Amino acid sequence: SAVISQKPSRDICQRGTSLTIQCQVDSQVTMMFWYRQQPGQSLTLIATANQGSEATYESGFVIDKFPISRPNLTFSTLTVSNMSPEDSSIYLCSVEGTDLRGETQYFGPGTRLLVL
Amino acid sequence: AQTVTQSQPEMSVQEAETVTLSCTYDTSESDYYLFWYKQPPSRQMILVIRQEAYKQQNATENRFSVNFQKAAKSFSLKISDSQLGDAAMYFCAYRGMDSNYQLIWGAGTKLIIKP
Repeated sequence: SAVISQKPSRDICQRGTSLTIQCQVDSQVTMMFWYRQQPGQSLTLIATANQGSEATYESGFVIDKFPISRPNLTFSTLTVSNMSPEDSSIYLCSVEGTDLRGETQYFGPGTRLLVL
Repeated sequence: AQTVTQSQPEMSVQEAETVTLSCTYDTSESDYYLFWYKQPPSRQMILVIRQEAYKQQNATENRFSVNFQKAAKSFSLKISDSQLGDAAMYFCAYRGMDSNYQLIWGAGTKLIIKP
């Protein structure tokens, strides 16, 4: 299994500013995913980040708004740029891994963002 | 495109009783994976149970078991002897064999445990 940490765990930001969220994994992984989750709602995939290549963004998400870095096999960052109150959400990173049950995704604890 | 439907926004169960959460999905693929994830109020999403479509035997993990009906495209989760710690959002998810590991998520079911 993989242990994932995220920083910050929560933040309150002013509109128009940017926030960079860090995701650290305790083992080397090929694929990392960034999700957005509104409280009480399901997960929406923002992008898939593979080390050594550009992130692949889902429909409705663009690199200028959510730039992603993946400098090595254990670390990734997601930046939420030029924030507005609509960006208030929980941001989760996850990685693909394998345990005794087979392939699955492991999740970080999330970053709760409030934009004023 | 694949879809996952959880028709129960909220369920409640008495402690020590059994509850079943429903999940249906739509796909044209013959082989795929299905998952149930649990997200307690602390937000850490964890895997509860995993089922491979080519396996006819229903997956079981301690008090958690699934009823996988491939023809009906149904994948329900049964929680036996419910405990207060089972209170959480439960998400059903689908992954195709050739999907670049991306998961398709249901809307979630909030499970309330009554003491």
